[in-house]
Amino acid sequence: KQEVTQIPAALSVPEGENLVLNCSFTDSAIYNLQWFRQDPGKGLTSLLLIQSSQREQTSGRLNASLDKSSGRSTLYIAASQPGDSATYLCAVRNTGFQKLVFGTGTRLLVSP
Amino acid sequence: DAGVIQSPRHEVTEMGQEVTLRCKPISGHDYLFWYRQTMMRGLELLIYFNNNVPIDDSGMPEDRFSAKMPNASFSTLKIQPSEPRDSAVYFCASSQDTRGTEAFFGQGTRLTVV
Repeated sequence: KQEVTQIPAALSVPEGENLVLNCSFTDSAIYNLQWFRQDPGKGLTSLLLIQSSQREQTSGRLNASLDKSSGRSTLYIAASQPGDSATYLCAVRNTGFQKLVFGTGTRLLVSP
Repeated sequence: DAGVIQSPRHEVTEMGQEVTLRCKPISGHDYLFWYRQTMMRGLELLIYFNNNVPIDDSGMPEDRFSAKMPNASFSTLKIQPSEPRDSAVYFCASSQDTRGTEAFFGQGTRLTVV
């Protein structure tokens, strides 16, 4: 059974810092991994999707990496801003399945 | 496209009442998912459909929960009778029937059963 863990559970940084959020999964037979952002009381916004054959994906100040063999992904946020404050969730899709298995999320607070 | 649309956004009901949550997926998407989010358990898949057919309902907690997808543009999740422990945020998501595509989520329905 796939299990997804995110560390840390919460993170508080001053504006301008670069930061890394971590995601680990127990079953390396994944098809892809998706990072989401969730604002309080809102839905999930897709940030980046990494296929199992890829090592990383970039979108603006965000960079996500994937090391499938070790069961790890990281989300790097450059030059953090208060508007980045949200909960970040990673989710994996196992090979042969369509459903996403979610981590518990990292709650990020970027202070001005 | 307006994205995945869910209704209502908020629902407060009394224990024992029937609750129906609604979802309109993104046009052209062949997969539809229902997830539930709670503080204790995070996001959990309840059921998903492919081309309107239920594929995996192993996450449906009890017989009180049922889901239907009568056509490609509409799905419902029904709870009957509702209980306080059903209080959660219910999300609907959809994706295309091609490998490796993103899943897109609706804004969710916050259900409170009192």
